[in-house]
Amino acid sequence: DTAVSQTPKYLVTQMGNDKSIKCEQNLGHDTMYWYKQDSKKFLKIMFSYNNKELIINETVPNRFSPKSPDKAHLNLHINSLELGDSAVYFCASSQDGAYGYTFGSGTRLTVV
Amino acid sequence: DQQVKQNSPSLSVQEGRISILNCDYTNSMFDYFLWYKKYPAEGPTFLISISSIKDKNEDGRFTVFLNKSAKHLSLHIVPSQPGDSAVYFCAASDLRDNAGNMLTFGGGTRLMVKP
Repeated sequence: DTAVSQTPKYLVTQMGNDKSIKCEQNLGHDTMYWYKQDSKKFLKIMFSYNNKELIINETVPNRFSPKSPDKAHLNLHINSLELGDSAVYFCASSQDGAYGYTFGSGTRLTVV
Repeated sequence: DQQVKQNSPSLSVQEGRISILNCDYTNSMFDYFLWYKKYPAEGPTFLISISSIKDKNEDGRFTVFLNKSAKHLSLHIVPSQPGDSAVYFCAASDLRDNAGNMLTFGGGTRLMVKP
């Protein structure tokens, strides 16, 4: 199946822990993204990587660190988790900018 | 400050009738607009888009209308089907922006189509 896949789908963890969310796309796209859907349901961009290079970093705390080992992967590592980090995180990829954006199914992170 | 707004959080429509979902934007630099459909526990899936050089784009039962002067776009679904029940997100992009072609999303409208 050609897709954007992210794991895990659900993640429950305690405050202060460090966790990672993995994302892989086999669409051959050059650009990958992380979006956050907050409690008000707005989807907001966090990071954008193009061919392993960071392009966008939208006022995200330093506790969030994206890592792109190759252009098919963009992982999100979060240090010292806080209650306010609870949200659904979506990975996405695209080949031609805003055209052909494909989203993963999301990771629901709950910090307790 | 939300640059893309969907002022109706929900909409209920009878099967077979028209569904009209609305979206307003404030950033005049946006030149490409998209609609995404989202089912629970799934990611948004692309539905239809429109460039700012057009005022209408049609794909089967789905039509998007763009009114640039009013900074308003709408999605029409006709006829509506129960399977259309989902959350619909409006999104916008500035294609000339070299910073990575991010999408700016509205807050979504939950459409419920009743049989």
